[in-house]
Amino acid sequence: DAGITQSPRHKVTETGTPVTLRCHQTENHRYMYWYRQDPGHGLRLIHYSYGVKDTDKGEVSDGYSVSRSKTEDFLLTLESATSSQTSVYFCAISESRGTSFDTQYFGPGTRLTVL
Amino acid sequence: RKEVEQDPGPFNVPEGATVAFNCTYSNSASQSFFWYRQDCRKEPKLLMSVYSSGNEDGRFTAQLNRASQYISLLIRDSKLSDSATYLCVVEGRGSQGNLIFGKGTKLSVKP
Repeated sequence: DAGITQSPRHKVTETGTPVTLRCHQTENHRYMYWYRQDPGHGLRLIHYSYGVKDTDKGEVSDGYSVSRSKTEDFLLTLESATSSQTSVYFCAISESRGTSFDTQYFGPGTRLTVL
Repeated sequence: RKEVEQDPGPFNVPEGATVAFNCTYSNSASQSFFWYRQDCRKEPKLLMSVYSSGNEDGRFTAQLNRASQYISLLIRDSKLSDSATYLCVVEGRGSQGNLIFGKGTKLSVKP
């Protein structure tokens, strides 16, 4: 299994509070991704990073920000959590993109509940 | 057409059965295709990449039909342990196109 950890694994928070989720990898992969997964939806990309300090928005980026100050860490911040952000959040990594996509490996996920 | 579309199932099959999943995609320029497997309350894991010529890995066979823009996954001799949700994954649009995940097809293999 790829060396990806996420913390915390479970979190319950209140509406309006900031929340930061952490993804840590030991694979030295260049690309890192944050997805959310909700019933009735596939995995949806929130933000991704293609290198240290290089990030870009995904399909559902509103209300989220990210930072990547080291190759191994990718942080996802909910600036002011809302109930619609209750979800399971997955981090993923991949080695390269090139002309075709490399496999993405996923972390174990974080279950976030916003009350 | 939705970017990636799958029959949600569930597919309920007996052990030993052969089951096939199909997936259609809208981006005719896509070059990368995958099947992932996701167990209940777990992360998705790569099952297999899908190549133009089709490919096989043990009991699993993946096929790509570019003309019709669909991908299939065939599972032969189903095992109880094959029970999971199977996600079809396709390269998205644009120069920074990312992977687009289907909603998944749920498979339940019964004794």
